[in-house]
Amino acid sequence: QKEVEQNSGPLSVPEGAIASLNCTYSDRGSQSFFWYRQYSGKSPELIMSIYSNGDKEDGRFTAQLNKASQYVSLLIRDSQPSDSATYLCAPEKTNTGNQFYFGTGTSLTVIP
Amino acid sequence: EPEVTQTPSHQVTQMGQEVILRCVPISNHLYFYWYRQILGQKVEFLVSFYNNEISEKSEIFDDQFSVERPDGSNFTLKIRSTKLEDSAMYFCASSGASEQYFGPGTRLTVT
Repeated sequence: QKEVEQNSGPLSVPEGAIASLNCTYSDRGSQSFFWYRQYSGKSPELIMSIYSNGDKEDGRFTAQLNKASQYVSLLIRDSQPSDSATYLCAPEKTNTGNQFYFGTGTSLTVIP
Repeated sequence: EPEVTQTPSHQVTQMGQEVILRCVPISNHLYFYWYRQILGQKVEFLVSFYNNEISEKSEIFDDQFSVERPDGSNFTLKIRSTKLEDSAMYFCASSGASEQYFGPGTRLTVT
């Protein structure tokens, strides 16, 4: 089983719609989870962190975490063309000094 | 807003040469990291550094790689004898607690 699994996409949504990005992870001990956005040729940019089960909202972004199911998701409301990027799920590896697993990412395209 | 900076933005080197990639982490951060990303592939962890020593390293980080914090601001990654397969984007990141912030990266091309 891969450490982090994400649907590679591409995921296409129309402008103004909700984009839903999903991630499953294998490390049952992971306690911290991060979502990064990466534009082509650029570095990962932190957009959300979540540590507890449930939902966490920040502007148009909502992260959802279910540790029992080893599942974390990111919802983007009112999607904009500028949201078109690859979204990387990054759970923290158990018992490490802040080492992350990175998924291969989901490519999102928002169509104007 | 504080940010991680990296130099150079692009480095071209010949196989077998040594390269040093430089990073200036966010000033009050205590944890520093190097990652690499081969074109079209996922971000891969190389090494983490805390309290002037390596805290974690991956299988990729073999004897050809070393890291150093030579002064209070810089954090460097040295590749002793570059190989063609070292061609990648190298990202530095820093964190104060758990959230890691990435620099813009150095594109290393080994010819």
